[in-house]
Amino acid sequence: DGGITQSPKYLFRKEGQNVTLSCEQNLNHDAMYWYRQDPGQGLRLIYYSQIVNDFQKGDIAEGYSVSREKKESFPLTVTSAQKNPTAFYLCASSKPGPMNTEAFFGQGTRLTVV
Amino acid sequence: AQKITQTQPGMFVQEKEAVTLDCTYDTSDQSYGLFWYKQPSSGEMIFLIYQGSYDEQNATEGRYSLNFQKARKSANLVISASQLGDSAMYFCAMRETVAGGFKTIFGAGTRLFVKA
Repeated sequence: DGGITQSPKYLFRKEGQNVTLSCEQNLNHDAMYWYRQDPGQGLRLIYYSQIVNDFQKGDIAEGYSVSREKKESFPLTVTSAQKNPTAFYLCASSKPGPMNTEAFFGQGTRLTVV
Repeated sequence: AQKITQTQPGMFVQEKEAVTLDCTYDTSDQSYGLFWYKQPSSGEMIFLIYQGSYDEQNATEGRYSLNFQKARKSANLVISASQLGDSAMYFCAMRETVAGGFKTIFGAGTRLFVKA
């Protein structure tokens, strides 16, 4: 079945450590996205990529980095520069274009700083 | 500036009744898409319904319908015959054109509680 796989589901990080969240899709979608969700809040866009080897900063990119070396994969690294990384992270993909292009989401990764 | 506004942090509805969740948006694009997603407590995001900016008819998907008023820039979600399983967070989203392609932005969400 086609879909988006995020791993791990739960992740614990010590202060000062970098961690990488995995996102893989087999939907053959060109566009991929990373969102952050804080408790009771909406989704805020961290980074997005429309095509392999290209990505753009979203609204809250500071303290995060991404790569897009393969169409299927869009890993997110939460660096030590991110001051408040505890949150729920959602990866999504979609077809290109503005119309009729709903995003398909992974199950999310819940990151906790300990 | 807020692009997607959902003014109802929480809503209560009696089982089997209809409920309207409000959404207004702001864009200067002519071509854009509007979406509603449901997020149960498990955290997954479930796509519910889509409305294109050029669609003249309001979108419907089963018990969900989208009341699209383009001049007012509103895209309210109507859920008919509410069920207990409809209790969840609901997010309005807009697909817009940006430098380098397109992105989808979300509102802050409305938490719906369905009462038995």
